[in-house]
Parts: sequence; C-alpha cells; structure tokens
Amino acid sequence: KAGVTQTPRYLIKTRGQQVTLSCSPISGHRSVSWYQQTPGQGLQFLFEYFSETQRNKGNFPGRFSGRQFSNSRSEMNVSTLELGDSALYLCASSGGTGAYNEQFFGPGTRLTVL
Amino acid sequence: GENVEQHPSTLSVQEGDSAVIKCTYSDSASNYFPWYKQELGKRPQLIIDIRSNVGEKKDQRIAVTLNKTAKHFSLHITETQPEDSAVYFCAAALSGNTPLVFGKGTRLSVIA
Repeated sequence: KAGVTQTPRYLIKTRGQQVTLSCSPISGHRSVSWYQQTPGQGLQFLFEYFSETQRNKGNFPGRFSGRQFSNSRSEMNVSTLELGDSALYLCASSGGTGAYNEQFFGPGTRLTVL
Repeated sequence: GENVEQHPSTLSVQEGDSAVIKCTYSDSASNYFPWYKQELGKRPQLIIDIRSNVGEKKDQRIAVTLNKTAKHFSLHITETQPEDSAVYFCAAALSGNTPLVFGKGTRLSVIA
C-alpha cells in the first residue's frame, strides 16, 4: 500500500497569512491525526478526525482548524499565522480511531513563518 | 490531562553498549504506552508498545518495561548499532478513545 502523503512538503508564509495543509491517508484508513513538531517540544497533538468527524482536539488556539472529507483525506488550516507557528506538521493515519491503533506518519509539511 | 516527561533529552553510547530511555506519566489511568523512532529527516515509526496489563515486552534487541506503581516506563536497547541513532519518542494514552500524549523525545547517538 502507498504510505501517507502530505502536500505541500515546504511552505513559506508571512505573519498574518493563512495556510492549508493536506494529508492523504493510507488506503482504507479512516482516522487521521495531526501533530505539530518543534525542536525541544516533541510531537504535540492538534486533532483527530474519523469518518469526517473530529474525535479529539488538542490544546491549540482556534486559529488551528481541520476537516476530513468522505475519502478520508484531511486538511488543516492555520489562520492569522504567527512566527511561533513555524514547525513541521505531521499527519498520521490509522486503521481505527483512538490511541491503540498504530499511527502511520506522513513525511510532514515544514512551515516557515517570516 | 496526561503529561509525559522523557529523559534524557540526549544520549550518546558506544556501539555495542546498551541504551535506556525513561518516561514518566502523570495519570495513573493511562494504559497504553508506545515508542516511536524518528531517524533524521524521516517520519516517526512505531517500534514497540506495551499495555498496562503487561510488565515487560521484548522484540529482538529492544524491550520496554512498565512500572505502574511508579508511573514510569522505559525503553531498553541492547547491543546498540549505528542505525539505532535517531530520536525516540515515548507516548501514553488514557484509553483507546483518547489521543496519544508524547514526550519531548530523546536524541540517541551511537558512536562507532
């Protein structure tokens, strides 16, 4: 099976702009989770979608939002970008919802906010 | 909510030596503890996991131990090899319906 893919791989934006990142899960996987990875902070959970419904949400401001489509592809949006939003954004898909299922990560989108 | 502390943040070992990474969690109700390995420039991958009803699990050169009383779990890598060099993340989950909470990672360097 093809792995998790993310587009774009790199993005450079300026403060105040908004950005949309895309994630295509492994075929058959209905759960998609998003994480923010920054040096020294590890992987911080943003949200999880399963069958187009948000199942869990992390402790991030409302500027971070997401959605999932009927084909399980997911997008996350960050509005009014801040310098601190610069990070690697990883999505992960799994065959079921929740933590017990192995997370298969994508290559990430590296966002730089200037 | 759950909080996971991971130590050390960096670890250097000689090839062939053992490496131990320790994580502590705050919520005694957590019952699932996976470990992910992220090689430089690569995506994280699950290497081993343990449920709270098991005290130890082994897979070739890696093992994970869990001490529920002390609320900590550890990753043990024996006979380290250069390809073990990576960042290792521990995580914990309260249930199958809650998300994973990750530690901040340990950068392991195996020196040949």
